[in-house]
Amino acid sequence: SQTIHQWPATLVQPVGSPLSLECTVEGTSNPNLYWYRQAAGRGLQLLFYSVGIGQISSEVPQNLSASRPQDRQFILSSKKLLLSDSGFYLCAWSALQGPDSPLHFGNGTRLTVT
Amino acid sequence: SQQGEEDPQALSIQEGENATMNCSYKTSINNLQWYRQNSGRGLVHLILIRSNEREKHSGRLRVTLDTSKKSSSLLITASRAADTASYFCATDAGDSSYKLIFGSGTRLLVRP
Repeated sequence: SQTIHQWPATLVQPVGSPLSLECTVEGTSNPNLYWYRQAAGRGLQLLFYSVGIGQISSEVPQNLSASRPQDRQFILSSKKLLLSDSGFYLCAWSALQGPDSPLHFGNGTRLTVT
Repeated sequence: SQQGEEDPQALSIQEGENATMNCSYKTSINNLQWYRQNSGRGLVHLILIRSNEREKHSGRLRVTLDTSKKSSSLLITASRAADTASYFCATDAGDSSYKLIFGSGTRLLVRP
């Protein structure tokens, strides 16, 4: 069966520090991969999605970047965190079959920038 | 920009009652999906309805889709305290991309 791992679960970082959040998927090949951010009590904002290694689409201009160094690994990074980067970050995957594939989410990383 | 918007933002009902949540979207879609999120956790896929379908059932869940009104509803029948969660609708971007755009969600509280 397929599983998705996302870590760390919580993170407190000072303003101006770097960030690296990692997400890995097991049990499937060539998944679509996604990073979403959720502000407290709000909906999900799509940050990045990837349909293959090295193929990253950015949805919102911001202080963050994403990379996909391996087929089932998706990394969210920042060189210098801002206070506004605080939030709940969710990684997700879907099968590369088309828009009918549901998303499968990790348990998220709660990031607090102080 | 958000594609789907849920209504109401919050809903409180008694156990055993039905809960109805609505979702409106803006552009043409290929499908619409509903997800559930327990507090502090990731989202879980509940049901997908394609643009050529009008109604779909899964257990106590019933989803309808009206593409002429660009709206969908999620009905949870005979609600239980364990149904307490946030519910989100999500739509594809209506193009060939794999983007999935989420609404702002409905927070459902089922009182025992």
